[in-house]
Amino acid sequence: QKEVEQNSGPLSVPEGAIASLNCTYSDRGSQSFFWYRQYSGKSPELIMFIYSNGDKEDGRFTAQLNKASQYVSLLIRDSQPSDSATYLCALGGGFKTIFGAGTRLFVKA
Amino acid sequence: DAGVTQSPTHLIKTRGQQVTLRCSPKSGHDTVSWYQQALGQGPQFIFQYYEEEERQRGNFPDRFSGHQFPNYSSELNVNALLLGDSALYLCASSSGTGGSYEQYFGPGTRLTVT
Repeated sequence: QKEVEQNSGPLSVPEGAIASLNCTYSDRGSQSFFWYRQYSGKSPELIMFIYSNGDKEDGRFTAQLNKASQYVSLLIRDSQPSDSATYLCALGGGFKTIFGAGTRLFVKA
Repeated sequence: DAGVTQSPTHLIKTRGQQVTLRCSPKSGHDTVSWYQQALGQGPQFIFQYYEEEERQRGNFPDRFSGHQFPNYSSELNVNALLLGDSALYLCASSSGTGGSYEQYFGPGTRLTVT
């Protein structure tokens, strides 16, 4: 079992819709959780981090963490074509960060 | 406020050669982590440097080594290059004395081994 699992996609949503990206993990000791956005040919960009169970909102982005079920999700409201990218889920524990392979999101205009 | 910088941007090397990649962290950050990202994969943790010492290492052979300087900048060295070392090498900086906090990535170095 991979440490961080993400659906590779592509996830296709129409412009203005809510995009829902999910991630499950195996290490119950994980303490910090991150979502990065990566455009093709570019480096990852940190967009959200969450450390506690529940929801955390920042603009159009909401991160949700459920440690008991070992999943973390990212909701993107009012999706825009510029949101089309690969979204990487990452887990931190100790000094090491483990990344998933990413979910490709495509927002149709 | 300068972000994370990396050099060079692109590099082409021959199998068996050695390469050195460089990274300067974001202003105010003292911790540097290196990652390897193959096409279609997520970044894979190579190692992290803090206070000029390797603090943790991922599942990479000893051909991969690093260094951190007093000004917090860092180098990644790869010896005896293999074709499979072709990838995007990412440096990420963070500020933290206790663990894995938010990391900010540089633009990366694209290494091609022929």
